[in-house]
Amino acid sequence: GQQLNQSPQSMFIQEGEDVSMNCTSSSIFNTWLWYKQDPGEGPVLLIALYKAGELTSNGRLTAQFGITRKDSFLNISASIPSDVGIYFCAGRAGGTSYGKLTFGQGTILTVHP
Amino acid sequence: NAGVTQTPKFQVLKTGQSMTLQCAQDMNHNSMYWYRQDPGMGLRLIYYSASEGTTDKGEVPNGYNVSRLNKREFSLRLESAAPSQTSVYFCASSQGSSNQPQHFGDGTRLSIL
Repeated sequence: GQQLNQSPQSMFIQEGEDVSMNCTSSSIFNTWLWYKQDPGEGPVLLIALYKAGELTSNGRLTAQFGITRKDSFLNISASIPSDVGIYFCAGRAGGTSYGKLTFGQGTILTVHP
Repeated sequence: NAGVTQTPKFQVLKTGQSMTLQCAQDMNHNSMYWYRQDPGMGLRLIYYSASEGTTDKGEVPNGYNVSRLNKREFSLRLESAAPSQTSVYFCASSQGSSNQPQHFGDGTRLSIL
């Protein structure tokens, strides 16, 4: 089946620093999604990408759909303490009309004040 | 503005007991999903329902059954719980078309002793 490799697995940064994380797939995806999960809660959608090469921003977050359609990147600028959480990428392969997603393993982000 | 509601939030079972996890969404979504989340493994799809009246296996269906009771509700049943099913279970829903993102509930934390 499809596999997603998300890296890094964890990050420890100082408040104000920029953050980058990425996901790579063994197969082509036609949709990439980035979610954030806070402790004790479900994942919340941050950014959705639908076209190869697409670059989309949501406040301090920017995500890109890789040209090869096998990868995606998420950047967080000027991190703040509330950015702490687990970030997941998720992808959807072509031909799936019911929205079935494959998730990465997650990146645990810790921000030191 | 509830979105996706899961009950219960926490449950402890003994090996061999049965249990039904409930999920309801109020967004008039066509598709619903059950995932389990284990440390370091992201979210893995157990079962999904593309539309009312249909259900299909996901990546890890063994030991589980589901019922799409109506458009709003999608339940997950463990007939004979095993310690390997200790996990956090998430329900999600989406409009159903291939480009619509999934919206998650806050999870059910299930421990099996």
